[in-house]
Amino acid sequence: IVMTQSPATLSVSPGETATLSCGASRSVSSDLAWFQQKPGQAPRLLIYGASTRATGVPARFSGSGSGTEFTLTISSLQSEDFGVYYCQQFHNWPWTFGQGTKVEIK
Amino acid sequence: EVQLVESGGGLVQPGGSLRLSCVASGFTVSSNYMSWVRQAPGKGLEWVSVFYSGVRTDYADSVRGRFTISRDNSKNTVYLQMNSLRAEDTGVYYCARGIAGVKGWGQGTLVTVSS
Repeated sequence: IVMTQSPATLSVSPGETATLSCGASRSVSSDLAWFQQKPGQAPRLLIYGASTRATGVPARFSGSGSGTEFTLTISSLQSEDFGVYYCQQFHNWPWTFGQGTKVEIK
Repeated sequence: EVQLVESGGGLVQPGGSLRLSCVASGFTVSSNYMSWVRQAPGKGLEWVSVFYSGVRTDYADSVRGRFTISRDNSKNTVYLQMNSLRAEDTGVYYCARGIAGVKGWGQGTLVTVSS
């Protein structure tokens, strides 16, 4: 299953909303996770099951969608939210990641 | 405290072998999906292998037949034996817990395949 993310890069001012999209080449139901990765660090789980926030993840992060279209919304963006965001399906092996969306703080 | 600590990375020549280790603490590896994920320099993430909580394993096509995932329950450790290494196997290798890594990741170990 091929995962496609858009846009490749997103420049957002603090306090604004960032909307990241992820599409699957075929249905993955709700078997979708979102990760954030900062330079030199391991990926950090944000969302699993398409819309469930992981423990400790701020409420400004929200996920939606099912089937083939998914969205990660970061409301009231904070400076620490910069990084690369990956969606990932775990509906079928091989689990696959999108190519990532880089969020830059404007 | 739940922790995953990888080791065993390093510089190896093409065609060579390495064995990566992932020592787990705070939970038992035999009761969890355990996986290896890699990231080439400046690139995205790729699932390499998974050990399901039974005995079943799976591999990415790119490593099938060359890499073997195993675990030692007595040491609470998961391994990745990597043979016939290629330049394109270069990257940081992460150990991850749970389906799709939703229960945690280690900090990674760097593998460099170069002559």
